[in-house]
Amino acid sequence: SYVLTQPPSLSVAPGRTAVISCGGNKIGSSSVHWYQQRPRQAPVLFIYNDRDRPSGIPERVSGSKSGNTATLTISRVEAGDEADYYCQVWDSSRDHSYVFGTGTKVTV
Amino acid sequence: VQLVESGGGLVKPGGSLRLSCAASGFSFSRYNMNWVRQAPGKGLEWVSSISSSSSYIYYGDSVKGRFTISRDNVWNSLYLQMNRLRAEDTAVYFCARGDCSGGSCRLDLWGQGIVVTVSS
Repeated sequence: SYVLTQPPSLSVAPGRTAVISCGGNKIGSSSVHWYQQRPRQAPVLFIYNDRDRPSGIPERVSGSKSGNTATLTISRVEAGDEADYYCQVWDSSRDHSYVFGTGTKVTV
Repeated sequence: VQLVESGGGLVKPGGSLRLSCAASGFSFSRYNMNWVRQAPGKGLEWVSSISSSSSYIYYGDSVKGRFTISRDNVWNSLYLQMNRLRAEDTAVYFCARGDCSGGSCRLDLWGQGIVVTVSS
C-alpha cells in the first residue's frame, strides 16, 4: 500500500520554527493536506491543497511542496502547537482512499 | 456545525457493533462522509467512505468484507456496521466530513471520536 513518510518526532524551542516533511512518490502529482491532533483531541484540518489555510488557522502556519516532498512550517512556535501532525493525500486510483502519513510528534 | 459519534464499547472477538454519527449545522446530504480510526498510540487509518447519495462506497483493505458503511440523509446520520471484529480493530473511531475540490479530498470536519475495544 502507498506510504507517506514523516519524521517520528521533532523538538523545537518556543519562538523557533518547526519544519515537518512528508515524502511519497505520489506527492508530486497530488494535493497534500495536513492535520493537527492535540493530545486526547480529534484531528483538525490544518493546511489543505498544499498551502491553503482553513479559517482560524494562524498565518504563521504554512505549507509547501517540492517534487515528492511536502513541508509544513510553523513559525514562532508556541506551547499550544505541541501536537501530532499528519499529512494526507487522496488516492483516486485505489479505492478513493485517504492515505495518511506516519505522523510527527512535535514537542515544544 | 458538528459530528457526534455513538455506539462504541467493549465487544468480544467475532462479535458485532454498530457505530452512529449524528451530523448537525450543515447540509449533510451534500457531502461524502467517512470513518477514520486510530489504534492506541498509533496513527490515523482511513476505514471507509460513502458518497453524498450513497452511490459510491469504498473500504480500506483491513475491513473489506467485515464492515458496512451507510447513511440516512433524512436523519442526517452516518453508520458503520462492524462484524467479525478482531483485536486489531480496537481503536478510536472518528466520523469525518469529506470536502473535495480540484481532484482531491480532505477531511474538514471531525467528530470527537468513539472508543471501540475488542477483547475477550
